[in-house]
Amino acid sequence: KAGVTQTPRYLIKTRGQQVTLSCSPISGHRSVSWYQQTPGQGLQFLFEYFSETQRNKGNFPGRFSGRQFSNSRSEMNVSTLELGDSALYLCASSVSGTGSYNEQFFGPGTRLTVL
Amino acid sequence: GESVGLHLPTLSVQEGDNSIINCAYSNSASDYFIWYKQESGKGPQFIIDIRSNMDKRQGQRVTVLLNKTVKHLSLQIAATQPGDSAVYFCAECSGNTPLVFGKGTRLSVIA
Repeated sequence: KAGVTQTPRYLIKTRGQQVTLSCSPISGHRSVSWYQQTPGQGLQFLFEYFSETQRNKGNFPGRFSGRQFSNSRSEMNVSTLELGDSALYLCASSVSGTGSYNEQFFGPGTRLTVL
Repeated sequence: GESVGLHLPTLSVQEGDNSIINCAYSNSASDYFIWYKQESGKGPQFIIDIRSNMDKRQGQRVTVLLNKTVKHLSLQIAATQPGDSAVYFCAECSGNTPLVFGKGTRLSVIA
């Protein structure tokens, strides 16, 4: 079956703009989690959505938001972009969500560059 | 390809040798641990997991060891191959908490 897909793969924006990233989970998976990966901070959890509801949230400012649709597809939005938002944004899907014993499958990521 | 991390610790091994990658985890309440492999330009890929009620688990060419006393996790790769070159992350979680990832180790296999 098809894996997790993320679009776009690469994105270049300027400071102050906003951006929307998209993630399509594996068919049948109801949980989508988002992570930010940078060389300095590594992989950091942003938020998790399950059945269209945000279930967990990491320690990121309110400029970072997300949503999930009824077909489990998810989007994340970053408003008022800052240089420090340049990162690889990864989406992961699982059958029932984060936590014990739930394998998460990662997409290839969206590389965001903020100029 | 994309650089996952510019300042990661690096382990260089000869092809055919065994590799051992170590990880110190942070939360003594964590009850589930996972090793991921991330190749350039790709997202992390699940390798093997272990629950806190175990201290060892074996997969195909990989073994994970868990020492809860010192909060230490290791990944052993037998007969390392060039295709094993990647960045390896450990991750921990407890209950329904999100995964917390370690900083990662870059494995470089010398042919």
